[in-house]
Amino acid sequence: EAGVAQSPRYKIIEKRQSVAFWCNPISGHATLYWYQQILGQGPKLLIQFQNNGVVDDSQLPKDRFSAERLKGVDSTLKIQPAKLEDSAVYLCASSMTTDTQYFGPGTRLTVL
Amino acid sequence: QKEVEQNSGPLSVPEGAIASLNCTYSDRGSQSFFWYRQYSGKSPELIMSIYSNGDKEDGRFTAQLNKASQYVSLLIRDSQPSDSATYLCAVNLSAGNKLTFGGGTRVLVKP
Repeated sequence: EAGVAQSPRYKIIEKRQSVAFWCNPISGHATLYWYQQILGQGPKLLIQFQNNGVVDDSQLPKDRFSAERLKGVDSTLKIQPAKLEDSAVYLCASSMTTDTQYFGPGTRLTVL
Repeated sequence: QKEVEQNSGPLSVPEGAIASLNCTYSDRGSQSFFWYRQYSGKSPELIMSIYSNGDKEDGRFTAQLNKASQYVSLLIRDSQPSDSATYLCAVNLSAGNKLTFGGGTRVLVKP
């Protein structure tokens, strides 16, 4: 069974630029999550989708972050404009229920 | 008070010893508890889940849950250098049905 796929694996941008990340969940998993993990901290949930609907985006900085999951499968997370403090690893996870989650390899973002 | 708290470590243990990791959580209504292992530069990997009070064993790992005291622990028996990693405690808090992670405990197993 293929795992959660993410791309790109690494991205370096300058502040005020925009960036987008892509995630393809495990086949059949209805729930998809985006997390931000700052170095030395645990993952922080940014947004949770159930199929193509948003379940929770309470911690998503909506002035600069956006996410969509068209057709209820893959998803994109966008940051525009990026700030220095956005430097982190962005993790995508999926689950069949809202319980056991499986993580992708992550995208390491560096904002200069 | 953080919703899920862990000692950041590092927890240094000699090879072959037992590593004991603790996690406390604030939401008394929480029902699901998970331990993830994260190697440096890698993504979290699920190693244990526990839902009922008591112990749950899986190989060299034992998870312990005490809902009355609001803590969950992880024991690693016969620790190996390959167990050196950060261990993340995650709790499915009753409000919002989403996982909240602790900051992680870094474990170092010395040969």
